[in-house]
Amino acid sequence: SAVISQKPSRDICQRGTSLTIQCQVDSQVTMMFWYRQQPGQSLTLIATANQGSEATYESGFVIDKFPISRPNLTFSTLTVSNMSPEDSSIYLCSVELGEVAAFFGQGTRLTVV
Amino acid sequence: QKEVEQNSGPLSVPEGAIASLNCTYSDRGSQSFFWYRQYSGKSPELIMSIYSNGDKEDGRFTAQLNKASQYVSLLIRDSQPSDSATYLCAVNTYGQNFVFGPGTRLSVLP
Repeated sequence: SAVISQKPSRDICQRGTSLTIQCQVDSQVTMMFWYRQQPGQSLTLIATANQGSEATYESGFVIDKFPISRPNLTFSTLTVSNMSPEDSSIYLCSVELGEVAAFFGQGTRLTVV
Repeated sequence: QKEVEQNSGPLSVPEGAIASLNCTYSDRGSQSFFWYRQYSGKSPELIMSIYSNGDKEDGRFTAQLNKASQYVSLLIRDSQPSDSATYLCAVNTYGQNFVFGPGTRLSVLP
């Protein structure tokens, strides 16, 4: 298994500001994943973060809005930029251990006011 | 586009009953299948994985896989109010990302 520490666990932010979410894994992993989960909805993949290369973004998500860093094999950050109330959501980082399973951080509950 | 489908629910069962959750997937090449439980406001946690056709039991949970029908199910026996949560089905094909279903909300009534 993998232990993932994600912070902050929650935050309330003013519109127009940015928030950076950190994700630390207890083992080296090739890819890390960032998801958004809006209230009552399922997981939506934002992007896949690879160490040493630019993140791969899913349709509807762009680097200017959600810049991602992946400086090493155990750490990644997701920034939510120029926030609006529509960005209020839970953001989750995840790692996948081959075919074994996907594991998630505790999530960051973001409220934009 | 690979898809995983689940009934959104809510599925309501009385305490002590069997809850049956279903999932279908579109990619015949899928090899690994998972059930996650997500309590409100929490992140998903893995409860079962299954890789071959048939049944796999773990305590009160039984996962069933039928690759020919592209169907996965989760049975929860002796359902408890603490089982009330959203259950996510996930599918993985070797070398590719996990694909998650929309989740089924289960409510176990005391």
